[in-house]
Amino acid sequence: GEEVAQTPKHLVRGEGQKAKLYCAPIKGHSYVFWYQQVLKNEFKFLISFQNENVFDETGMPKERFSAKCLPNSPCSLEIQATKLEDSAVYFCASSLDRANYGYTFGSGTRLTVV
Amino acid sequence: KQEVTQIPAALSVPEGENLVLNCSFTDSAIYNLQWFRQDPGKGLTSLLLIQSSQREQTSGRLNASLDKSSGRSTLYIAASQPGDSATYLCAAEGGSEKLVFGKGTKLTVNP
Repeated sequence: GEEVAQTPKHLVRGEGQKAKLYCAPIKGHSYVFWYQQVLKNEFKFLISFQNENVFDETGMPKERFSAKCLPNSPCSLEIQATKLEDSAVYFCASSLDRANYGYTFGSGTRLTVV
Repeated sequence: KQEVTQIPAALSVPEGENLVLNCSFTDSAIYNLQWFRQDPGKGLTSLLLIQSSQREQTSGRLNASLDKSSGRSTLYIAASQPGDSATYLCAAEGGSEKLVFGKGTKLTVNP
């Protein structure tokens, strides 16, 4: 399809519970990115993949966050032992060729940690 | 480290007015700059992508310009409509190969 599909749209977790978010990039796009949007429109880069390989993970809080992009499966972002501060909208984006086509974003998953 | 700033943070205009949204970036070594629109509670819709070798891009009533030497981009919206009300975000991609976003301009077009 021509859209980046993110599921679920909303997720509520108690503090300390695990959260798992999914992203199906546009078919043929080899780059996948995860961003976290917190209050006041602040977008924080988390991690990027080129195919199934981690390209850049400098934004990941490694002790609790992990991500995968496996062949023939949606990409996933998993948060172990969620904290209140993890409440945010998590966006996935994919790109065929960033220089010429830019990024296409999904509609996001709103995670609320209570 | 790339920093992207958008001015103004909010803008309210009457319908039909032409307007300009500003975006500035600190590192001129960018690959491209992309403008997005975000409606409340929604994802990001790509509006225009300007590659580093280009100076402007146009789509319908939208025109985006890029001046790498001064670290600036502008988004021009002609004949604004209430449906244009949204938050507009610019994002620069540089050598770090990831987008760095500004905090957006919230536009309200009043009927």
